[in-house]
Amino acid sequence: ETGVTQTPRHLVMGMTNKKSLKCEQHLGHNAMYWYKQSAKKPLELMFVYNFKEQTENNSVPSRFSPECPNSSHLFLHLHTLQPEDSALYLCASSHPPGTSGRDTQYFGPGTRLTVL
Amino acid sequence: GQNIDQPTEMTATEGAIVQINCTYQTSGFNGLFWYQQHAGEAPTFLSYNVLDGLEEKGRFSSFLSRSKGYSYLLLKELQMKDSASYLCAVRDSWGKLQFGAGTQVVVTP
Repeated sequence: ETGVTQTPRHLVMGMTNKKSLKCEQHLGHNAMYWYKQSAKKPLELMFVYNFKEQTENNSVPSRFSPECPNSSHLFLHLHTLQPEDSALYLCASSHPPGTSGRDTQYFGPGTRLTVL
Repeated sequence: GQNIDQPTEMTATEGAIVQINCTYQTSGFNGLFWYQQHAGEAPTFLSYNVLDGLEEKGRFSSFLSRSKGYSYLLLKELQMKDSASYLCAVRDSWGKLQFGAGTQVVVTP
């Protein structure tokens, strides 16, 4: 149990559907992250929120829309996805990113997304 | 940009030692992390190095040489439960993590 939960754990959707991924952290952190993990490829950072403000958008297509209503919750809204978007989507949280070991990122179990 | 290189897969016998190497090329460096990820599960934090040298945590140790752009994770007294993917991640000057593709360690009886 890492203190970061994600729902749903598995999601199958068509290209015209709209769905949302949810992440919640119980670690008292103020930074939250979305990563994409495809088979045999490195984790790709998508978005970073620090104190509810988006501080990083790593050239992510607009069909992915993040939302961070408070420091404990993070959403990823999905619409008109493509089959190549099928991947494991991981959420992480940390203390504010910086240069010390205190900002270690802790990950949730991920949502396995399949786009048909 | 940053390049993080680590072997794709390593196989070792239960009770043995395995060393997973990670080399990196960065435009800024502020620490290196190792994570363990079992199939279908969250990556879990193993170790953090920011200064040169060896950090030991039970059966796991991590080493860093900043001048060589090199780190390794040493797993001792391997157990079957250590079969997992091990991720090397380098933090840049802005606090962002760049991950390697992971090394799949297979522990055999």
